[in-house]
Amino acid sequence: DVKVTQSSRYLVKRTGEKVFLECVQDMDHENMFWYRQDPGLGLRLIYFSYDVKMKEKGDIPEGYSVSREKKERFSLILESASTNQTSMYLCASSLEEAGPNYGYTFGSGTRLTVV
Amino acid sequence: GESVGLHLPTLSVQEGDNSIINCAYSNSASDYFIWYKQESGKGPQFIIDIRSNMDKRQGQRVTVLLNKTVKHLSLQIAATQPGDSAVYFCAETTNNFNKFYFGSGTKLNVKP
Repeated sequence: DVKVTQSSRYLVKRTGEKVFLECVQDMDHENMFWYRQDPGLGLRLIYFSYDVKMKEKGDIPEGYSVSREKKERFSLILESASTNQTSMYLCASSLEEAGPNYGYTFGSGTRLTVV
Repeated sequence: GESVGLHLPTLSVQEGDNSIINCAYSNSASDYFIWYKQESGKGPQFIIDIRSNMDKRQGQRVTVLLNKTVKHLSLQIAATQPGDSAVYFCAETTNNFNKFYFGSGTKLNVKP
């Protein structure tokens, strides 16, 4: 069964800490994405990657960075965590080319609380 | 996607009734759409998709309707079941199939 795995379901971190959220996919997908999900605001794109060592900013990249050293792994980094980064973080992956039932496969999410 | 608001719209239906969830998308150039279902504590899951050269597509108990004239998408669920209770999102993309934009979602509450 193909899937996207996020390493933590729940995290509690202190303000100012450097936080790493890890995401691994086993589908050999080229594209990987990080979203945050907040009540009433839907899913907002933070960063995405089309290929290894490649990254592009999404709509809300401030305060975040990413790393993609291997095709299957895409890491989201909060350089200095702040309380307004308390959120649900969702990782997704997709094929490079459109095809039948094209779309994202999502992980189960990481609920991060910054105190 | 849907207009951003502070509160998630909620649709309450009786078990066995049909449900209709609506989504207004913003980009007239969008040509591929997906409906996702997100159950509590889980990531969104693909339900059904439709391309802009179609106005209707049916799956198992679900139908998606697309009205490009008014930029409106709807998801119809037949004979709604308690297991259908979830938040439903529409997502749109243009020819750049790599990036989707999501609506804020509608919460479906199925009453037994």
